[in-house]
Amino acid sequence: GQNIDQPTEMTATEGAIVQINCTYQTSGFNGLFWYQQHAGEAPTFLSYNVLDGLEEKGRFSSFLSRSKGYSYLLLKELQMKDSASYLCAIMDSNYQLIWGAGTKLIIKP
Amino acid sequence: GAVVSQHPSWVICKSGTSVKIECRSLDFQATTMFWYRQFPKQSLMLMATSNEGSKATYEQGVEKDKFLINHASLTLSTLTVTSAHPEDSSFYICSAREDRGDNSPLHFGNGTRLTVT
Repeated sequence: GQNIDQPTEMTATEGAIVQINCTYQTSGFNGLFWYQQHAGEAPTFLSYNVLDGLEEKGRFSSFLSRSKGYSYLLLKELQMKDSASYLCAIMDSNYQLIWGAGTKLIIKP
Repeated sequence: GAVVSQHPSWVICKSGTSVKIECRSLDFQATTMFWYRQFPKQSLMLMATSNEGSKATYEQGVEKDKFLINHASLTLSTLTVTSAHPEDSSFYICSAREDRGDNSPLHFGNGTRLTVT
């Protein structure tokens, strides 16, 4: 079967670092995406990983280990505006996206 | 960056009427677009995959005669909710994939909040 797991909710402090994990089991793999979604808004693309390793983009980094079926999104120097849901999505063998339920990140001052 | 325009942002309609939602890729071509529905505090639910020039592919449980999809050009897909009922009230979001390979990222419209009274 296909399964994507990520924590339901996380809390972190402004200025700190937080790591959001995503584990997956899917039929085929053509890449992993991270999206940010603020309440009441559509998701925004953050990153794409298809090869093992770390992709860094400003304050956000994403890591992938295909052999372990594991990814994480790392957010540094947290700002209040980073409070949002973070969605992990896998592109399967048919190039369709399978979505995780999302992790609600709460940033406290 | 790639921009997807979705219109209208919100709409209120009476039960039994039809509502059309447009999804446009403004600065790229998109052979494939996707339509999602999201209920409060729930995940995105894929409704259908829209392919330019061919019939849309609907997910299980989504009525194709109720949710009409037309993808007549490489930059425009429309979703028409026919004979809307209060239970169709939801947040509808479209996304488009750039025509530069199957693993191109999806870009989302801002969504349409539909309220059926």
